[in-house]
Amino acid sequence: EIVLTQSPGTLSVSPGDRVTLSCRASQIVEHQYLAWYQQKPGQSPRVLVYGASTRAAGVPDRFSGSGAGRDFSLTISGLGPEDCAIYYCQHYSSLPRTFGQGTKVEI
Amino acid sequence: EVDLVESGGGLVQPGGSLRLSCKASGFNFYNYNMAWVRQLPGKGLQWVGSIDPYDSGKYYLDSVRGRFTLSRDNAERSLFLQMNSLRDDDTAVYYCARDAFGVFDSWGQGTLVTVSS
Repeated sequence: EIVLTQSPGTLSVSPGDRVTLSCRASQIVEHQYLAWYQQKPGQSPRVLVYGASTRAAGVPDRFSGSGAGRDFSLTISGLGPEDCAIYYCQHYSSLPRTFGQGTKVEI
Repeated sequence: EVDLVESGGGLVQPGGSLRLSCKASGFNFYNYNMAWVRQLPGKGLQWVGSIDPYDSGKYYLDSVRGRFTLSRDNAERSLFLQMNSLRDDDTAVYYCARDAFGVFDSWGQGTLVTVSS
């Protein structure tokens, strides 16, 4: 099983900031099969990025993903209040699919 | 627009059973893998299992294999999760999700399952 470790646990930011969230895998994630999700309070998760760097439909271009191997990141530029959420990474290179424990972004 | 609506959650005693349902609309249900993902109280997300479009390939988290069963009815555009021998640590919000080759690209609103005596 691939264990995903996200850092930091919580990020306190200011409007307009650029932030980078980290996701480290216990094994190589083949084919960059790594996705990022956003979950706002009281809502279901929503996919932001898949294939490590491909934005999902309708996702603003201030969200960008990068990485390969064991290290991946999600960068949010020009942070706004609407970006307050918990962000999860998830791999899909093997079974079981696993998620990181999440990074909470608060303004 | 993709819409997934779960139902069937509730309070059940340890050792009991529950059947969750998910009604899909807005896409060709019979073309997609589907999945259940749960969110443990105050915690993160955990994949429970996925099923292929043909109701033949079924994949489970180790801790639920043998207790939970995935099924689907393509004619009714519905996904099901039969949960038996429920344990306290199965308490969670259960989400139905469209599984696009491992990416969960659409989610329902979730249904709460509470296992408690």
